[in-house]
Amino acid sequence: DTAVSQTPKYLVTQMGNDKSIKCEQNLGHDTMYWYKQDSKKFLKIMFSYNNKELIINETVPNRFSPKSPDKAHLNLHINSLELGDSAVYFCASSQVPSGIAEQYFGPGTRLTVT
Amino acid sequence: GENVEQHPSTLSVQEGDSAVIKCTYSDSASNYFPWYKQELGKRPQLIIDIRSNVGEKKDQRIAVTLNKTAKHFSLHITETQPEDSAVYFCAASKVGGGSYIPTFGRGTSLIVHP
Repeated sequence: DTAVSQTPKYLVTQMGNDKSIKCEQNLGHDTMYWYKQDSKKFLKIMFSYNNKELIINETVPNRFSPKSPDKAHLNLHINSLELGDSAVYFCASSQVPSGIAEQYFGPGTRLTVT
Repeated sequence: GENVEQHPSTLSVQEGDSAVIKCTYSDSASNYFPWYKQELGKRPQLIIDIRSNVGEKKDQRIAVTLNKTAKHFSLHITETQPEDSAVYFCAASKVGGGSYIPTFGRGTSLIVHP
């Protein structure tokens, strides 16, 4: 009965590789997000999807691309990984039209690029 | 866009003391101010939130106050316990129009000494 789930939990890979992180929510929420949390714990929003439309795209490199096959999933694809991409990536969801703005976060994916 | 400043970055208290974390925001249109708690290695979770039509909200040992004129809001934790030790994030955003894009503060690491 996990609300927001992510896979994998840990991801270790080499520079230059391409990887994906999957996210699924079973809350029926209409908006999903990706956050990057660096070593200093700063939570930076990367993307937000509402009804399968990208509604925000912060200044992230175009090596990062979100893919939403349906309202319950928002996957993150990263091409040509760099050392600076090492961080914890959190998926989240919320249901704004219902007035519930609380963000429900997934457990996070710790990405290490060597 | 919105800019959220959070202070202090680290707060160390003795068990039983009170702790106060302060945030300021820049966009007067922001109307929703949540606080998230992130324990070590875990996901951020909402602990309390306040909307701009309310000046104060309390839930057991935690309370949040909002001063819209000064554009600042604060988290108050009374009778702190070691399990309150975590990183706390404030956020500010405008809820409405079908979208919700939160801007987070940089976090406060609260350490409660037994």
